[in-house]
Amino acid sequence: EADIYQTPRYLVIGTGKKITLECSQTMGHDKMYWYQQDPGMELHLIHYSYGVNSTEKGDLSSESTVSRIRTEHFPLTLESARPSHTSQYLCASSRLAEETQYFGPGTRLLVL
Amino acid sequence: KNQVEQSPQSLIILEGKNCTLQCNYTVSPFSNLRWYKQDTGRGPVSLTIMTFSENTKSNGRYTATLDADTKQSSLHITASQLSDSASYICVVSDRGSTLGRLYFGRGTQLTVWP
Repeated sequence: EADIYQTPRYLVIGTGKKITLECSQTMGHDKMYWYQQDPGMELHLIHYSYGVNSTEKGDLSSESTVSRIRTEHFPLTLESARPSHTSQYLCASSRLAEETQYFGPGTRLLVL
Repeated sequence: KNQVEQSPQSLIILEGKNCTLQCNYTVSPFSNLRWYKQDTGRGPVSLTIMTFSENTKSNGRYTATLDADTKQSSLHITASQLSDSASYICVVSDRGSTLGRLYFGRGTQLTVWP
């Protein structure tokens, strides 16, 4: 079982609200990732980080932002949630020299 | 077009039976291929990883094969159990990218019935 945690697990929120999805890992991994996954579809990388103060956008355009102030923490923020943001958001981490990623349990977001 | 295609999209089998899931990819260059298991409501968990030179890799009742020439992989599950019910995702990594970019398949949803 990987030591990577996401909160909340489920979130129902109204349009226009600001939300932050939390992700933390206790494995000391330098690399962290955020993926978006819709039912029956592949994971899409939306943000990643190589370490503290390093953040990059992934393949899928996203209106969210991320920060990496501490190695263990990689929160994702949506300034103004919309129904199109409804999805599952998965956080992952890996060692700097390895590609195997360890995933958190995910946050299921529903925007009304 | 997705560069990692999985089949079947979904599969139902009876407990104790064997099954084989397929993964075809067009990713190039190729670094490695992983199979992940994703239980409902959970994040994916790595089952196997194979590099270019490896033909087969086992993890308990899971056996993955790789044919890098035809760009095909399979995941064979032996003596299925109810706990095998999950989505199985094929993930291919390319070479040459500092990120080691990962290409995800859409998964095969396996349901094991008692």
